[in-house]
Amino acid sequence: EPEVTQTPSHQVTQMGQEVILRCVPISNHLYFYWYRQILGQKVEFLVSFYNNEISEKSEIFDDQFSVERPDGSNFTLKIRSTKLEDSAMYFCASSEGGQRIYGYTFGSGTRLTVV
Amino acid sequence: DAKTTQPNSMESNEEEPVHLPCNHSTISGTDYIHWYRQLPSQGPEYVIHGLTSNVNNRMASLAIAEDRKSSTLILHRATLRDAAVYYCILRGNAGGTSYGKLTFGQGTILTVHP
Repeated sequence: EPEVTQTPSHQVTQMGQEVILRCVPISNHLYFYWYRQILGQKVEFLVSFYNNEISEKSEIFDDQFSVERPDGSNFTLKIRSTKLEDSAMYFCASSEGGQRIYGYTFGSGTRLTVV
Repeated sequence: DAKTTQPNSMESNEEEPVHLPCNHSTISGTDYIHWYRQLPSQGPEYVIHGLTSNVNNRMASLAIAEDRKSSTLILHRATLRDAAVYYCILRGNAGGTSYGKLTFGQGTILTVHP
């Protein structure tokens, strides 16, 4: 069964450093998303991406965050200057379509620890 | 997004059926009902979705009340691998302010006993 692949599985970074989280969505999917989950809390939407542009973002997704699809297969989330409160699991997801009849496929996540 | 209400936790024995309820009394006519689950230390996993009719797939069945104000996810024979947090999520009309996104609640923690 097709999978969404995320790398690395765990990243430790110093506060103030930049991090890039990488994702390879399912090849025929057109819509891409990032979510995060702080330990013990709900899964939260960050951003959706379609046709090489952001289609929606949450209030969490401020100027410190950016997304990119640099080639035909990768989808990245960059955090420019990490803060302690950015420590969380970050999940990438993709879907065939954006409409409500489509389900998402999520990756296994990247655990980001900011120290 | 319309709100859903689920029990915080439920328990089941292995190989028995499990009925996970969800209330969504403010559902609109075009909202789809989606279910996801999250196994420990993993990302959410799509389970099933429906609009009005009951739905079956290889993972589960979804029973939707006639007035659509509630639904039930049915696992026909629970296994230890089904122990997870189950989320009931309403998906509204894409193209509006909630284009495509999923709004997760706290979900129901399902414990399966051997």
